[in-house]
Amino acid sequence: EVQLVESGGGLVQPGGSLRLSCAASGFRFTYSIMNWVRQAPGKGLEWISYISSSSTTIYYADSVKGRFTISRDNARNSVYLQMNSLRVEDTAVYYCVRESGGAYYFDFWGQGTLVTVSP
Amino acid sequence: QSVLTQPPSVSGAPGQRVTISCTGTTSNIGSGYDVHWYQQLPGTAPKLLIYGNINRPSGVPDRFSGSKSGTSASLAITGLQAEDEADYYCQSYDSSLSAVVFGGGTKLTVL
Repeated sequence: EVQLVESGGGLVQPGGSLRLSCAASGFRFTYSIMNWVRQAPGKGLEWISYISSSSTTIYYADSVKGRFTISRDNARNSVYLQMNSLRVEDTAVYYCVRESGGAYYFDFWGQGTLVTVSP
Repeated sequence: QSVLTQPPSVSGAPGQRVTISCTGTTSNIGSGYDVHWYQQLPGTAPKLLIYGNINRPSGVPDRFSGSKSGTSASLAITGLQAEDEADYYCQSYDSSLSAVVFGGGTKLTVL
């Protein structure tokens, strides 16, 4: 069974940092493309970052570029999102998602972790 | 403002058929990029419902179907059931933005 389990969310002040982790199991993580998608409270879905299976290709949405860093550790079957210079508008549930074979869609989602940025 | 446009809400009675539209532009759906649909039940993570415009993952009932034409796509749900009450999102890729893009979501209410 495919499982994606996020952790690391919480309450942080504006300008602060947080590191999200996503532990994957039940599939060949080493060969999988991973992404992060977020959802602000009561709002829609927003793609924010992509990392290829070997970490050679990385993309970010303009809204987080220069502030967030995606990485992965294939030995630990994990993907991470380092979030710096956090803003109130970064408040959201952050989902770790697996992209299906470079086909630009997400076939498995984690349960999400809530990040709240507030003074 | 989402790149893909969906109606904020649709509704239907049990057993009826409803459709949800997803309108894009020539830099996403109109460029030939596939459209995918997700269902988000209240309080849960989104789940893949339709991929590659028309394909259903294993376990998704055939009451759900997708189509695409030009710069738009649609999700149709037939034989509406109370358990279908959820938010539905379309998704594609935009070559101008070099990014995955979502619709704003449509809330389906089963009357």
